[in-house]
Amino acid sequence: DSGVTQTPKHLITATGQRVTLRCSPRSGDLSVYWYQQSLDQGLQFLIQYYNGEERAKGNILERFSAQQFPDLHSELNLSSLELGDSALYFCASSAVRGGTGNTIYFGEGSWLTVV
Amino acid sequence: AQSVTQLDSQVPVFEEAPVELRCNYSSSVSVYLFWYVQYPNQGLQLLLKYLSGSTLVKGINGFEAEFNKSQTSFHLRKPSVHISDTAEYFCAVSKNQGAQKLVFGQGTRLTINP
Repeated sequence: DSGVTQTPKHLITATGQRVTLRCSPRSGDLSVYWYQQSLDQGLQFLIQYYNGEERAKGNILERFSAQQFPDLHSELNLSSLELGDSALYFCASSAVRGGTGNTIYFGEGSWLTVV
Repeated sequence: AQSVTQLDSQVPVFEEAPVELRCNYSSSVSVYLFWYVQYPNQGLQLLLKYLSGSTLVKGINGFEAEFNKSQTSFHLRKPSVHISDTAEYFCAVSKNQGAQKLVFGQGTRLTINP
């Protein structure tokens, strides 16, 4: 158990809908990361937050957004869903902002299926 | 920008045989290197990481990896595998400055045959 908690574990929704994925980082970790794992794109970095502020952005679509709340939990919002958004979405956390090779711990992921 | 290439998408080996999973990276700056393992229906777990110092890094579950700067490689090895090592293995790289996003390879599926 990494200590990173993600909900829901599985989600099935229709095209055009909007969903919210939730992540609770390890106790004390200030950085939260979101990654997408799909068959065609592999594991891709989406976005990082550090202590409530956006720190880095990767291949995140404009239809997707995220935020980190004062209690450090994070939510990833996916809207206008398309079939191609079906993927495993990982949340990860680390203790510090970065730049030190600090270990990033991953949750078990949220499986999103868009039908 | 960094990139990671895992040269084998699938590696089948017999139980108790040695295994090497290959990883090459490219980067214009110094990097940190990682191997993660993903067991079926689970999240990613860190096996080992190279930050600096000794180029031979030992990780959990008997795995080790060697950083070779001249060949830009970070191959993962285990002298004797077990059925329980069946999983997907990901090599990843991050820059040693600034935001610590990980760039992953496409993964190597290790299958252990009895």
